[in-house]
Amino acid sequence: RKEVEQDPGPFNVPEGATVAFNCTYSNSASQSFFWYRQDCRKEPKLLMSVYSSGNEDGRFTAQLNRASQYISLLIRDSKLSDSATYLCVVNGAFTGRRALTFGSGTRLQVQP
Amino acid sequence: EAGVAQSPRYKIIEKRQSVAFWCNPISGHATLYWYQQILGQGPKLLIQFQNNGVVDDSQLPKDRFSAERLKGVDSTLKIQPAKLEDSAVYLCASSLTQDGGYTFGSGTRLTVV
Repeated sequence: RKEVEQDPGPFNVPEGATVAFNCTYSNSASQSFFWYRQDCRKEPKLLMSVYSSGNEDGRFTAQLNRASQYISLLIRDSKLSDSATYLCVVNGAFTGRRALTFGSGTRLQVQP
Repeated sequence: EAGVAQSPRYKIIEKRQSVAFWCNPISGHATLYWYQQILGQGPKLLIQFQNNGVVDDSQLPKDRFSAERLKGVDSTLKIQPAKLEDSAVYLCASSLTQDGGYTFGSGTRLTVV
């Protein structure tokens, strides 16, 4: 089983749509959770941290379910500029490893 | 604040040749990471430094890869000899603490032919 698992997509959605990405992680001891965004041929950039209580940043909402080891990202009112790959990221994915472990990413393409 | 600097941006080498990448982290960031990102995959940790000490190099193919961070600032990653499967983007990242958010450099795109 992969340490951080994501649906690779692509998700093709029209502008204005709501889209949700899911991610599961294997190490129940993981402590920190993030969503990163990666544009084509660019480096990953932090989109938002994910907290147990859930958190929102504008059109983006992140949720964490520790019991199910499940993380989600909801994007409302999709814009063309949201087209990118979204990486689910967990620290401590390996016992004794505190560095961030990245999923393979979910590709989003927002259509006009 | 200046970002994480990496060079070169692109490198094409033949298999069995050697190559080195350089990274200058954000000033004051104690933790530095090298990640390898193969096309279509997420970044995979190669090595983590805390100041000039190695914290985690369990995924570094030590028969051909080496990395150092002398003086706890700049870092170099070397591959010798390169294989075709080493073709990837090599990303350097730094953070203020081990649990802090990472800032990535633009990466070095390596093609081994």
